[in-house]
Amino acid sequence: DTGVSQDPRHKITKRGQNVTFRCDPISEHNRLYWYRQTLGQGPEFLTYFQNEAQLEKSRLLSDRFSAERPKGSFSTLEIQRTEQGDSAMYLCASSLAAFTDYGYTFGSGTRLTVV
Amino acid sequence: GEDVEQSLFLSVREGDSSVINCTYTDSSSTYLYWYKQEPGAGLQLLTYIFSNMDMKQDQRLTVLLNKKDKHLSLRIADTQTGDSAIYFCAEMDQKLVFGQGTRLTINP
Repeated sequence: DTGVSQDPRHKITKRGQNVTFRCDPISEHNRLYWYRQTLGQGPEFLTYFQNEAQLEKSRLLSDRFSAERPKGSFSTLEIQRTEQGDSAMYLCASSLAAFTDYGYTFGSGTRLTVV
Repeated sequence: GEDVEQSLFLSVREGDSSVINCTYTDSSSTYLYWYKQEPGAGLQLLTYIFSNMDMKQDQRLTVLLNKKDKHLSLRIADTQTGDSAIYFCAEMDQKLVFGQGTRLTINP
C-alpha cells in the first residue's frame, strides 16, 4: 500500500467555479477524515466517514461543501461556487479505528487557490 | 469545546535541546500526539502518549504529560538542521484536534 493519496496536488480555479478533490485512503482503513489547513494555522477538522457513513460535519463545512464516500473506499470533497476564502490546503487522512496509537495517516494534500 | 494552544515560534542552536510546549482543554483525551510538517510536505506522526502515562521516550524525543495542568511537551535532544519544521500538538477525543503549530528554526 502506498499510503493516503490525494488528487490533484494543486488546483487553481476562478471564483464561482466548482471543484472536486479525491482521496484514496489506506485500503484496510475504515475511517476517513477531511481537514483544511490555511497558512500559519493547524489543520481544522471538516468531516469524517466510517465506511460509507458520514458521521460528523464541522460547523466550518458550509452548504457549499459536500463530501461523499460512496463505497467506503475513496472519498470526494466538492466545493461549489468557490470563494477566495476557500483557498487552503485540503488534507485527507485515514485510520483503522477511532482511537489508535498511530493516529491518522495523512496524505500530502490538495492545495486550492481561488483567483 | 476542544482547544489546543502552542507558542508559534522557537529558535535553538544546533546541538542544543528543543522544548516545544502545548496546552489542551479536553480532559477526556485518550491519546495526545506530536506531528511534524516540513515545507511542502504532509503531516508525519512523530510520537504519541497515552493519557495514563507521564513520560515517553523514543530515541531523541521525550514527551512529558502533566494531565492535571493539561500540559504536553516535546523535547528534541541534540537538535539538528533536519529538525527544522512546524510541530503540531494534537489531542484525540472522537477526532484529532490540532494546535496552531510551533515553527522550529535551527541556528548554526
